[in-house]
Amino acid sequence: QSALTQPASVSGSPGQSITISCTATSSDFGGYNYVSWYQHQPGKAPKLIISEVSNRPSGVSNRFSGSKSGNTASLTISGLQDEDEADYFCSSHISSSTLYVFGTGTKVTVL
Amino acid sequence: QVQLQESGPGLVEPSGTLSLICTVSGDSLSSRQWWSWIRQPPGKGLEWIGEVYHSGSASGSATYNPSLRSRVTISIDEPKNRFSLRVTSVTAADTAVYYCARNKDWGFDPWGQGTLVTVSS
Repeated sequence: QSALTQPASVSGSPGQSITISCTATSSDFGGYNYVSWYQHQPGKAPKLIISEVSNRPSGVSNRFSGSKSGNTASLTISGLQDEDEADYFCSSHISSSTLYVFGTGTKVTVL
Repeated sequence: QVQLQESGPGLVEPSGTLSLICTVSGDSLSSRQWWSWIRQPPGKGLEWIGEVYHSGSASGSATYNPSLRSRVTISIDEPKNRFSLRVTSVTAADTAVYYCARNKDWGFDPWGQGTLVTVSS
C-alpha cells in the first residue's frame, strides 16, 4: 500500500507555530475523515493527539490542531515548546481495502 | 488507565515463526473493540499488520494487511485479557519494533511501548 507523504523534518523556535503536512493519493483519503496524528518521543509509546482529522482527545493540549483540504491533511502546533520535540506521524483508514496506512514521519526540532 | 505491554522473544531465526503477546490492563478485550498490531522496521515507516475483534468466537475475528495476510495470524485470549501475533516464514525484512494498540476513533490509542524483534541466525 502507498504511504502517506510527510516532510522529513520541520523546525521552529519556541512560541512559533509550525505545520506538518500529510499528503496522499486521492484513493487513500477518499471522502472520509479518518486521519489521525501521533506524537512519538524517544523511549515512549506513540501518543494519539488528533483523531478524525481535527478531534483532540481528552488531555491533549489545545496547541495541537488538525485540518484537511483535498488530499492533504495538516497538523499545526501553536506556541511551540521544548517538550514538543518529537517525531510526528499521520495515519488514515482506507475503507475500500479495510486497512490503515501511515505517514513517513516528521521530526520536529525546537530551535 | 488503559495500558498495553508487548512480550515475546527478541530474536527469531530465519524461516521460523515470530510470536508476540500483548497484555491489556484497564480495559477488557470483550468490550467490543478492535485491537491492532503495528510494526516499524529500523529506519523505515510504520506498517499496520492487522486487527482483531472479540466476536464471541474462541479466537476472535481478524482483519489483515493484504501484504502480510498469508503469513500472519492475530487472535484473542479473552480469559487472560491478551491478544497475540504470529508471523510465519520470517526473513530479515520482518526485523522491526512491534507495537500493539487499541483501535479508537479510526486511529490507535493507546499504544504499547513496543518490542524489538530481530530475525537472524
